[in-house]
Amino acid sequence: KNEVEQSPQNLTAQEGEFITINCSYSVGISALHWLQQHPGGGIVSLFMLSSGKKKHGRLIATINIQEKHSSLHITASHPRDSAVYICAVLYFGNEKLTFGTGTRLTIIP
Amino acid sequence: NAGVTQTPKFRILKIGQSMTLQCAQDMNHNYMYWYRQDPGMGLKLIYYSVGAGITDKGEVPNGYNVSRSTTEDFPLRLELAAPSQTSVYFCASSRAPLGSLREHKNIQYFGAGTRLSVL
Repeated sequence: KNEVEQSPQNLTAQEGEFITINCSYSVGISALHWLQQHPGGGIVSLFMLSSGKKKHGRLIATINIQEKHSSLHITASHPRDSAVYICAVLYFGNEKLTFGTGTRLTIIP
Repeated sequence: NAGVTQTPKFRILKIGQSMTLQCAQDMNHNYMYWYRQDPGMGLKLIYYSVGAGITDKGEVPNGYNVSRSTTEDFPLRLELAAPSQTSVYFCASSRAPLGSLREHKNIQYFGAGTRLSVL
């Protein structure tokens, strides 16, 4: 069964800390998405990756295809970064995303 | 430009009742999706559509129906509500297939969600 595993499930950190959230998957993929779910429930797409690294502001996403692993980093974390971060992958030959259960991030002022 | 609009935001149903969750997008996206999110679980795809008149089942389609008569609208119908359908429902759309290498085209835009309770 194709699965997406995220770690940690919950993460609490002090404002300003460097944050890393991990995502692992089981077989080859054509794309990996990172999404952010706000405390109010709204979901926003952050990145789509198929290789390498991407950066938007304080957010950095990397993917290692050989190790079947992606990381989402947040530099200089801020309380407004508090949210659930969700990893989703598109397996080869599949048109549908498989989602991880999310990492709940809380940044304390 | 409103993006993806879902209505209602909240609804309580009795077992056996029916209802339609509305979803509309104004971005002229061909691809639209319905997901459900249960506590502690990842989003699960219910149905999706690649264009007007074309729909297909996702991972958890039982108990639901969809139609796509226009590019803008993708309603989700529950015919006989069951407690197992208590969930938060999200509609999403994208310009291109989710594996498209042109990132700006396959970003999914989500609605605000519908919280449904079946009692």
